[in-house]
Amino acid sequence: DAGVIQSPRHEVTEMGQEVTLRCKPISGHNSLFWYRQTMMRGLELLIYFNNNVPIDDSGMPEDRFSAKMPNASFSTLKIQPSEPRDSAVYFCASKVLGTGSYEQYFGPGTRLTVT
Amino acid sequence: AQTVTQSQPEMSVQEAETVTLSCTYDTSESNYYLFWYKQPPSRQMILVIRQEAYKQQNATENRFSVNFQKAAKSFSLKISDSQLGDTAMYFCAFTTPQGGSEKLVFGKGTKLTVNP
Repeated sequence: DAGVIQSPRHEVTEMGQEVTLRCKPISGHNSLFWYRQTMMRGLELLIYFNNNVPIDDSGMPEDRFSAKMPNASFSTLKIQPSEPRDSAVYFCASKVLGTGSYEQYFGPGTRLTVT
Repeated sequence: AQTVTQSQPEMSVQEAETVTLSCTYDTSESNYYLFWYKQPPSRQMILVIRQEAYKQQNATENRFSVNFQKAAKSFSLKISDSQLGDTAMYFCAFTTPQGGSEKLVFGKGTKLTVNP
């Protein structure tokens, strides 16, 4: 079975440009999470969706960040405009709600470098 | 606030030996779930083991086992017969399902190196 799919795997962009990260959760999973990993702050939850509805976006650093989940099989995380401090690895994870199994399954991550 | 503390930023072990990684956490909830994730150089996050707080028996997955001390809020990971492929960052995490929030709270990680 395919795991969580993220694209691109690597992204290099210049400050001020728009960046869009994409995620396809595991089929049948109805909860999706976006995390950011940096050396300084470790793994931080940015936002998560249940059944395509954003539940908690308190981790989104500022208005330059936005996330959408238009359907059960696709989500995007957009940064506009990007800044060098946004450089990090961004992970998407998914899980099934309500089964009593709380582990999340992670994608391979997108390494973003903003110059 | 819910927090996870991993007090060992780096550890090393000889191949075939046993190593224990420490983790403590803080939550006021009584029902929660604990996890250890492994992140090798490929950066893929891989679930190693999970523990339900309501279970007294410590979880075991092959060479990986935990020592769960609920009163002390401690959740250490023991790796037996260490292998070179165990070299990775290891993250302790937990989630509390109360209130419908199922987000994971992670520690800062422990970098484990297995030496030949």
